[in-house]
Amino acid sequence: DQQVKQNSPSLSVQEGRISILNCDYTNSMFDYFLWYKKYPAEGPTFLISISSIKDKNEDGRFTVFLNKSAKHLSLHIVPSQPGDSAVYFCAAAQGGSEKLVFGKGTKLTVNP
Amino acid sequence: KAGVTQTPRYLIKTRGQQVTLSCSPISGHRSVSWYQQTPGQGLQFLFEYFSETQRNKGNFPGRFSGRQFSNSRSEMNVSTLELGDSALYLCASSPFSGSIGELFFGEGSRLTVL
Repeated sequence: DQQVKQNSPSLSVQEGRISILNCDYTNSMFDYFLWYKKYPAEGPTFLISISSIKDKNEDGRFTVFLNKSAKHLSLHIVPSQPGDSAVYFCAAAQGGSEKLVFGKGTKLTVNP
Repeated sequence: KAGVTQTPRYLIKTRGQQVTLSCSPISGHRSVSWYQQTPGQGLQFLFEYFSETQRNKGNFPGRFSGRQFSNSRSEMNVSTLELGDSALYLCASSPFSGSIGELFFGEGSRLTVL
């Protein structure tokens, strides 16, 4: 049973436009959500996070939105740049645990 | 500041063998977690160590084990290897246990089981 789902395996956008990556979760006990970015042959790198007490968190071009009632979060990248091309993983945690539950990732391609 | 270092980066084993992977966390980080990444299952949590004690364990069989040393370096071991153990094994460190997810990952050890 997959607790964190990223239903779009891939996404392609034009440079300068908005990229929206989506993530759904089933476990209502999750109280912290994160996005990681992964380039080929590298480990994932932390991008942005949000606590369940918030519904939005912004960091530069990256904004994460959380809709707890729908158990849905999204990552917005504005404007998208070719260097943003990578696999993006959504992850969830419960109770301050180091045990992250990851989605299977969405491969973002930003075309020049 | 050096990042998380994993060795070896690549290795090939045959079924039935055992393998040991090593992870050196970022200096000062005391928590080390291990994850398995496969195309079918994505990233799955294996275990977490803090101060030489296993704090959390994922849903993997007992063939998967780990340990942490007093200098925070960690090793994981997989015994009686199966074809399905072929994966990228990622180590991640954080300053404390319970630092809620901002983990710093290494580049991984890619294991191929033939």
